[in-house]
Amino acid sequence: GNSVTQMEGPVTLSEEAFLTINCTYTATGYPSLFWYVQYPGEGLQLLLKATKADDKGSNKGFEATYRKETTSFHLEKGSVQVSDSAVYFCALHGSGNTGKLIFGQGTTLQVKP
Amino acid sequence: KAGVTQTPRYLIKTRGQQVTLSCSPISGHRSVSWYQQTPGQGLQFLFEYFSETQRNKGNFPGRFSGRQFSNSRSEMNVSTLELGDSALYLCASSFTRGIESLYGYTFGSGTRLTVV
Repeated sequence: GNSVTQMEGPVTLSEEAFLTINCTYTATGYPSLFWYVQYPGEGLQLLLKATKADDKGSNKGFEATYRKETTSFHLEKGSVQVSDSAVYFCALHGSGNTGKLIFGQGTTLQVKP
Repeated sequence: KAGVTQTPRYLIKTRGQQVTLSCSPISGHRSVSWYQQTPGQGLQFLFEYFSETQRNKGNFPGRFSGRQFSNSRSEMNVSTLELGDSALYLCASSFTRGIESLYGYTFGSGTRLTVV
């Protein structure tokens, strides 16, 4: 079945450091891919998405490229801020699997001043 | 534009009781999905409703049920609560064309259920 694997955290970085959070997936067909962010005590916020191979999603300085050949959707940001501290989830929506997102286990990012 | 609204934010229930959670989607969104989030199992899909019909279902026991009303608001019910049902319950709404979500899924802030 479909699945998503994220790098384990926590990830601790200094402010202005470069961020990469790895995400790989297993899926049949052509899934859509998402990154969500969750701040303490809150729900999930959509950060970015990509719906087909080679698409690049971007938002608030974060980017991720849908790589079908490596089944990956790694999240990157050139310069993190303390306010980026949160839990990041990679998710997959399989073709025809209505309303169902499959999530990775989440990666906690802590950014220190 | 109002977001996805979940009520209540917090609930404390006793084992064996039942509970009903509510979700109001973004206006115009007819698809509503429910998820359970726990530290051990992460985010797991419960079910999805569209136009008052359940279209998809995850691997949860029959104690977990849901429904959707004609205004797209949805409720989920958990009967005979167990300690392991303690979790954050999230709902998400989506604008769909057929079975495809056009713009992704927008989540509410969740209902934190504690079973004692």
